[in-house]
Amino acid sequence: NAGVTQTPKFRVLKTGQSMTLLCAQDMNHEYMYWYRQDPGMGLRLIHYSVGEGTTAKGEVPDGYNVSRLKKQNFLLGLESAAPSQTSVYFCASSGPGQVYNEQFFGPGTRLTVL
Amino acid sequence: DAKTTQPPSMDCAEGRAANLPCNHSTISGNEYVYWYRQIHSQGPQYIIHGLKNNETNEMASLIITEDRKSSTLILPHATLRDTAVYYCIVISLYGGSQGNLIFGKGTKLSVKP
Repeated sequence: NAGVTQTPKFRVLKTGQSMTLLCAQDMNHEYMYWYRQDPGMGLRLIHYSVGEGTTAKGEVPDGYNVSRLKKQNFLLGLESAAPSQTSVYFCASSGPGQVYNEQFFGPGTRLTVL
Repeated sequence: DAKTTQPPSMDCAEGRAANLPCNHSTISGNEYVYWYRQIHSQGPQYIIHGLKNNETNEMASLIITEDRKSSTLILPHATLRDTAVYYCIVISLYGGSQGNLIFGKGTKLSVKP
């Protein structure tokens, strides 16, 4: 099993450009999450999904959109990138059911917005 | 805001036990204590979790005080590869939280040879 994979690993954007980050998991997990981590800080939740076709806002959702069209994929979109969105983005997934299970994290995407 | 308080940094000698404290004085009855760690530049990794009993797995032990207001993560024989930032997280498994983790700044553990 590959676990949680993220594409791309690195990206440099100019202000105003758009992009989509892809997260894929092969563990048949119901829940998926997008976090961002700024230097010297802990992770902050952007959006999450409790199942295919459903998404919800996390702590810092502004400037981002997400979609969960397939159970194994969770996409994070930046419609008009800003320098404040320079960060490392982590995707995670966790198991089914109403009781939380451990989250499995991807390797991260390092995004720089100039 | 994170519901936990951790020291910003700690050192440990290689081969010795690393004891990482965490205060969670406002923890409620249905909230668990979870520990994750993040090795430099990687995604966080789950270590262990507990409710009120002490827990042990192949990575670590978790000691929770009887009043549940604090806990200690113990790495019994720290190695250089255990150098990481360790996050103590309190989370309710019910009430619609959906397992959302709230990370504080954690404790940066440096294991020295």
